[in-house]
Amino acid sequence: QQQVKQSPQSLIVQKGGIPIINCAYENTAFDYFPWYQQFPGKGPALLIAIRPDVSEKKEGRFTISFNKSAKQFSLHIMDSQPGDSATYFCAAFERGGADGLTFGKGTHLIIQP
Amino acid sequence: DAGVTQSPTHLIKTRGQQVTLRCSPKSGHDTVSWYQQALGQGPQFIFQYYEEEERQRGNFPDRFSGHQFPNYSSELNVNALLLGDSALYLCASKETGVTDTQYFGPGTRLTVL
Repeated sequence: QQQVKQSPQSLIVQKGGIPIINCAYENTAFDYFPWYQQFPGKGPALLIAIRPDVSEKKEGRFTISFNKSAKQFSLHIMDSQPGDSATYFCAAFERGGADGLTFGKGTHLIIQP
Repeated sequence: DAGVTQSPTHLIKTRGQQVTLRCSPKSGHDTVSWYQQALGQGPQFIFQYYEEEERQRGNFPDRFSGHQFPNYSSELNVNALLLGDSALYLCASKETGVTDTQYFGPGTRLTVL
């Protein structure tokens, strides 16, 4: 049972564009939502994370938008660069829950020069 | 400050064999979690260790077991290997009671023939 649904599966954007990756969750007990970036052959690296008490968080070129009522959150990458080409995963976590991080299936992002 | 380290990098085993993977957490971290990432998928939570005990477990069979040592390092053991166990095995660590942020290691690529 997938508790975090991520879309799109793949995305191609021109350099300088703003790729947007969306995630939706079902478990209202989730209280921590991180985004990870993964390059081929490497482990996931934390990009940015948000808690449901805020609607937006920015760190550098990365922004998370969070809609608690819709149970949705998204990642925006400003001024995208070819070096941003990677697979991006959203995740959710319930403090005190029985599971670790629950991940989406990932979005393969390509930034064309 | 070293991040999360894992060994070995790659491993090839045959069906029915047993395997042990190792993880050293980031300095100052006391909780270790293990994840399985199949090709093209998001990581799946296996279990979490804190104070040398398994605290949480995902939907994985008893063939998957682990251990945490007094220095917080951890091992993942998989018995009676199946072809479907071929995956990237990721270790993540965090500092309990301080943050929910988990930092991942580079992973061990296990191939079962």
